[in-house]
Amino acid sequence: AQSVTQLDSQVPVFEEAPVELRCNYSSSVSVYLFWYVQYPNQGLQLLLKYLSGSTLVKGINGFEAEFNKSQTSFHLRKPSVHISDTAEYFCAVARSGGSYIPTFGRGTSLIVHP
Amino acid sequence: DTGVSQDPRHKITKRGQNVTFRCDPISEHNRLYWYRQTLGQGPEFLTYFQNEAQLEKSRLLSDRFSAERPKGSFSTLEIQRTEQGDSAMYLCASSFGSGTSVGDTQYFGPGTRLTVL
Repeated sequence: AQSVTQLDSQVPVFEEAPVELRCNYSSSVSVYLFWYVQYPNQGLQLLLKYLSGSTLVKGINGFEAEFNKSQTSFHLRKPSVHISDTAEYFCAVARSGGSYIPTFGRGTSLIVHP
Repeated sequence: DTGVSQDPRHKITKRGQNVTFRCDPISEHNRLYWYRQTLGQGPEFLTYFQNEAQLEKSRLLSDRFSAERPKGSFSTLEIQRTEQGDSAMYLCASSFGSGTSVGDTQYFGPGTRLTVL
């Protein structure tokens, strides 16, 4: 089985500052990795995913993440955040070659202050 | 808007009552998933359909829970004899995948928030 740990439950940051949301996973097999965002009163939306190939993955809204196999991490970064980035962010892992059903972390609340 | 829709958005019920939720996936999607999300947690997988076949069920899906996708289109999730512990947001997602597809993207609906009094 696989698991995901999101190390920070809440990350406050000022507008236009850079941000990193941390995610570590555990799995005995190869995995796919995902980041989702959930805005208030909305469904989850896929930000980006790592399936294979380049370890630096670029997603929507200026976000990117880097897969680090040796550290079993998949941290999400954005060089300059906006107020509109305030949301809940979920990291998820799925077993490659399986039914692609993801296991989600508990989420990190990103709070962007003006 | 042709995204995933869920109905109702909110449901308040008394303990012991039965409730049914509906999910309408994106029309060309053959895979449909149900998740449960409680406060402060990420979504937890409940069950998964490919077309009308229910292919996987989580251990979270007790005997009081049943899901159907009769014609491979919309799906229903029924909870019988609701308990207070069933209070949660129930999320539906859909995707298009084939046997050789890799990491198909799931599109989520807005969820149905269930409150059991």
